[in-house]
Amino acid sequence: SQQGEEDPQALSIQEGENATMNCSYKTSINNLQWYRQNSGRGLVHLILIRSNEREKHSGRLRVTLDTSKKSSSLLITASRAADTASYFCATDPLMDSSYKLIFGSGTRLLVRP
Amino acid sequence: EPEVTQTPSHQVTQMGQEVILRCVPISNHLYFYWYRQILGQKVEFLVSFYNNEISEKSEIFDDQFSVERPDGSNFTLKIRSTKLEDSAMYFCASSGTGAGNTIYFGEGSWLTVV
Repeated sequence: SQQGEEDPQALSIQEGENATMNCSYKTSINNLQWYRQNSGRGLVHLILIRSNEREKHSGRLRVTLDTSKKSSSLLITASRAADTASYFCATDPLMDSSYKLIFGSGTRLLVRP
Repeated sequence: EPEVTQTPSHQVTQMGQEVILRCVPISNHLYFYWYRQILGQKVEFLVSFYNNEISEKSEIFDDQFSVERPDGSNFTLKIRSTKLEDSAMYFCASSGTGAGNTIYFGEGSWLTVV
């Protein structure tokens, strides 16, 4: 089993539509972070949500966390072509001895103009 | 906005050669990390570093790898004798006070071993 698995693996939507990406994980966590990666580029931090939080917003981004289901979702509203990228969830496992992130496989989002 | 900077952005090296990847973490951060991403695969944790010593390392981080903070601002990853399978994007990252804080990543150093 793997910590942090996103679905869908790939998502194609029209500009202006909303995009929802889901992340599931296996072990209890301290926090969960979402990152964006444009092709061949670095990881851009989007949002951090702590285990005692259920929802956070940042601009057009909305993240939810359900610790009972060990899942999180990232919603991008009113998508733009510039949102085309891969999106990763990364978890900080509760029982780990030091602070590090475990990444999922990512969702490749294509926003068609 | 402060950022993590990495050099070089791209390096091609021959198998068996030593490589040093350099990073300047965000200036007031205390925790430093290296991750790598083989093309088309997940981002994988290599090592975390705090207070001038390794906090944790993954199975990938074997004796061929080492990290150093030589001068209080740079953070380096050395691969002693590169193998073909070391070809990957290597990301440096830093965070302020460790657990529970945002980890900020650099743009990456793309290493190609031929």
